[in-house]
Amino acid sequence: NAGVTQTPKFQVLKTGQSMTLQCAQDMNHNSMYWYRQDPGMGLRLIYYSASEGTTDKGEVPNGYNVSRLNKREFSLRLESAAPSQTSVYFCASSATRGRTDTQYFGPGTRLTVL
Amino acid sequence: RKEVEQDPGPFNVPEGATVAFNCTYSNSASQSFFWYRQDCRKEPKLLMSVYSSGNEDGRFTAQLNRASQYISLLIRDSKLSDSATYLCVPKNTGNQFYFGTGTSLTVIP
Repeated sequence: NAGVTQTPKFQVLKTGQSMTLQCAQDMNHNSMYWYRQDPGMGLRLIYYSASEGTTDKGEVPNGYNVSRLNKREFSLRLESAAPSQTSVYFCASSATRGRTDTQYFGPGTRLTVL
Repeated sequence: RKEVEQDPGPFNVPEGATVAFNCTYSNSASQSFFWYRQDCRKEPKLLMSVYSSGNEDGRFTAQLNRASQYISLLIRDSKLSDSATYLCVPKNTGNQFYFGTGTSLTVIP
């Protein structure tokens, strides 16, 4: 059982370049999330998807777009990367059966924008 | 006001010590609560859920005080492998999770 997978693990971009971070889960979860984590800060929600076909903005959505391709996959796109987007990006998923449902995280993508 | 506030530490404790972390949350409507552990440059992993009556999992005990809106985590008999950052995470009714900045723990031999 792979859980949540993310690709790539590392990426270096130049300012203005675009890229898509991929995330997939095999736990049949309805909800999926994208976070970024910067040094000394907690995880900040970029976008989330409560179910297939729906997406909502989180705390820091500017500069990002997402696609919930199907129940398994949730991608994050940077259209024109900026140095301020240098961060570690985590994808997560969660069931929505009840209050005890928790999140499972992928291993992260470490992105540097020069 | 932040959704979740934690003392960032660091807490440096000797092996075998007991250490406690507290966390306060601002949304009184939060339904569920969790403690996660995050090792350096790794993804957060669930340590334990926090139930209203308090719960224990081996050396770890979690408590919830809804009236005061705080959550605690007690670690007994600390091991070197407990060194990590501990994240307090309330969840709201919309299935959104709120992460604190975490409390850093280093267990010293």
